[in-house]
Amino acid sequence: DVKVTQSSRYLVKRTGEKVFLECVQDMDHENMFWYRQDPGLGLRLIYFSYDVKMKEKGDIPEGYSVSREKKERFSLILESASTNQTSMYLCAGLSAGTEAFFGQGTRLTVV
Amino acid sequence: QQQVKQSPQSLIVQKGGISIINCAYENTAFDYFPWYQQFPGKGPALLIAIRPDVSEKKEGRFTISFNKSAKQFSLHIMDSQPGDSATYFCAASAQGSNYKLTFGKGTLLTVNP
Repeated sequence: DVKVTQSSRYLVKRTGEKVFLECVQDMDHENMFWYRQDPGLGLRLIYFSYDVKMKEKGDIPEGYSVSREKKERFSLILESASTNQTSMYLCAGLSAGTEAFFGQGTRLTVV
Repeated sequence: QQQVKQSPQSLIVQKGGISIINCAYENTAFDYFPWYQQFPGKGPALLIAIRPDVSEKKEGRFTISFNKSAKQFSLHIMDSQPGDSATYFCAASAQGSNYKLTFGKGTLLTVNP
């Protein structure tokens, strides 16, 4: 079965901490995405990657960075966590012309 | 700039009724239009998708209607069931943008028994 796995379901971090959200996929997807989901705002694209070590900013990249050293792993990094980054974070994998598969999400709370 | 506009924000339907959710897009380069369904505590999952070379696609009780000239597409759920209660997102992507998905803001559907 297709799997996109996010390493944590729930995280609580302190303001100013550097936070790593990990995502692993087993479908050999070329493209991987990080979205954040907030009530009333839908899914907003933070960053995506279309190949190893290739990345492109999405609609709301400020305060975030990403890393894709291997095809199966795409990490989202919050350089210095702030309370306005409290949100649900969703990772997805996609191959050209096919559906996107999402992970279960990581609910991050920054206190 | 919101490239995909979705309405309504929430929808309440009686069991057996028809649920209709509408989306409009601006970018004429979009060539793939999926609908995702999300249950609480889960990630979104693909429900049904359409490409602009057809005007309608049906899978069971779910139908996408697509109007290329109006740049609109909609999801129809026939014989709505309480188990259909979920959040629905329309989305759009373009091959020339590495299939980056742009989502609407979502519709919370509640089907009353």
